[in-house]
Amino acid sequence: EAGVVQSPRYKIIEKKQPVAFWCNPISGHNTLYWYLQNLGQGPELLIRYENEEAVDDSQLPKDRFSAERLKGVDSTLKIQPAELGDSAVYLCASSHRAPGGTDTQYFGPGTRLTVL
Amino acid sequence: TQLLEQSPQFLSIQEGENLTVYCNSSSVFSSLQWYRQEPGEGPVLLVTVVTGGEVKKLKRLTFQFGDARKDSSLHITAAQPGDTGLYLCAGVVAAGNKLTFGGGTRVLVKP
Repeated sequence: EAGVVQSPRYKIIEKKQPVAFWCNPISGHNTLYWYLQNLGQGPELLIRYENEEAVDDSQLPKDRFSAERLKGVDSTLKIQPAELGDSAVYLCASSHRAPGGTDTQYFGPGTRLTVL
Repeated sequence: TQLLEQSPQFLSIQEGENLTVYCNSSSVFSSLQWYRQEPGEGPVLLVTVVTGGEVKKLKRLTFQFGDARKDSSLHITAAQPGDTGLYLCAGVVAAGNKLTFGGGTRVLVKP
């Protein structure tokens, strides 16, 4: 079974440019997450989708970040315009809610963004 | 905001030695997860502990959840170079099943 797929794996852009990341979750997983991970730190949640609905976007900086999951499957995360401080790894994860259980989140390899 | 603090931040040991990583919070979690992350990859779930006082063993790894469900530890016996990686704990809040990650402990096991 294929895992969570992310592209691109690496992206280098100049500040003020736009950038987009793509994520294809594991087939059948209705919950999708975008995380930001700074170097040497743990991931921080940016947004969580249940199917096509964003149910938690409280940590998403909405002035420059946007995300969509139009058909409840794959998702894109966009930054416009990018700033130097946005350099980080952007992780996508997906999960399938087990009744009465805790989600197991499966992470993709991430996109490493460098803003120059 | 619930914070999870991990200690130490970095640990370098020789193959065959034991190590313990700690994860502490002032908040109570419904469960706690441990992940390992290798360079260029996403975190991979190792274990989920749910009950206060619970101890789980995974080969040479032993995970313990504190009685009050605020802290946890990961102990590795006879560490091997393949254990090298970033170990992350993550607390789960029941409402919304949200994960809050600690800052991670980078473990280096030298042959």
